[in-house]
Amino acid sequence: DTGVSQDPRHKITKRGQNVTFRCDPISEHNRLYWYRQTLGQGPEFLTYFQNEAQLEKSRLLSDRFSAERPKGSFSTLEIQRTEQGDSAMYLCASSLQDSIYGYTFGSGTRLTVV
Amino acid sequence: AQSVTQLGSHVSVSEGALVLLRCNYSSSVPPYLFWYVQYPNQGLQLLLKYTTGATLVKGINGFEAEFKKSETSFHLTKPSAHMSDAAEYFCAVTFTGGGNKLTFGTGTQLKVEL
Repeated sequence: DTGVSQDPRHKITKRGQNVTFRCDPISEHNRLYWYRQTLGQGPEFLTYFQNEAQLEKSRLLSDRFSAERPKGSFSTLEIQRTEQGDSAMYLCASSLQDSIYGYTFGSGTRLTVV
Repeated sequence: AQSVTQLGSHVSVSEGALVLLRCNYSSSVPPYLFWYVQYPNQGLQLLLKYTTGATLVKGINGFEAEFKKSETSFHLTKPSAHMSDAAEYFCAVTFTGGGNKLTFGTGTQLKVEL
């Protein structure tokens, strides 16, 4: 297992376009998390899944954002009608259920909205 | 609600000198505390964690941290800095039953000079 994979690594898009990111977690991990990190800040929680169920969403996740994990394996995060304020690093992480031992993070997808 | 405060957004040390990165937390329930390191354009890597038990925890790359409940602190130290330690460091907190959602501090950029 090579860890948590995110694709693409970088994405430049024009304002108003839709973008989709993918995350492949460690195979035996049933929890998957999305975080957003803007310049000079720590990561901020967006949402998390246990298997295919989305259990919590942050108020940061506006109606333009949607996340799925259809088969309890990989996950996608879609942003519709992107805005310049969406420019950030989007980080995915996975863990075992009830793991208090920390996540394994992917390398992130850096989104630039121009 | 939980929060994390990292004092000093930038810390500079000489190679071979002591590294001390400060973290204070606020939590109404017993916390679990973490330190992560982030290299440029990469995801976060777990350095060490405190869950229960021994309050002095040792991590990778020679780092250690001490949980001090009376001071609500979890400072990160390393006796002798190496050039490869230059990175951004994040302190994070969660608690059991919290879905393992991490709340991060704003980070401390460590610079190591010759």
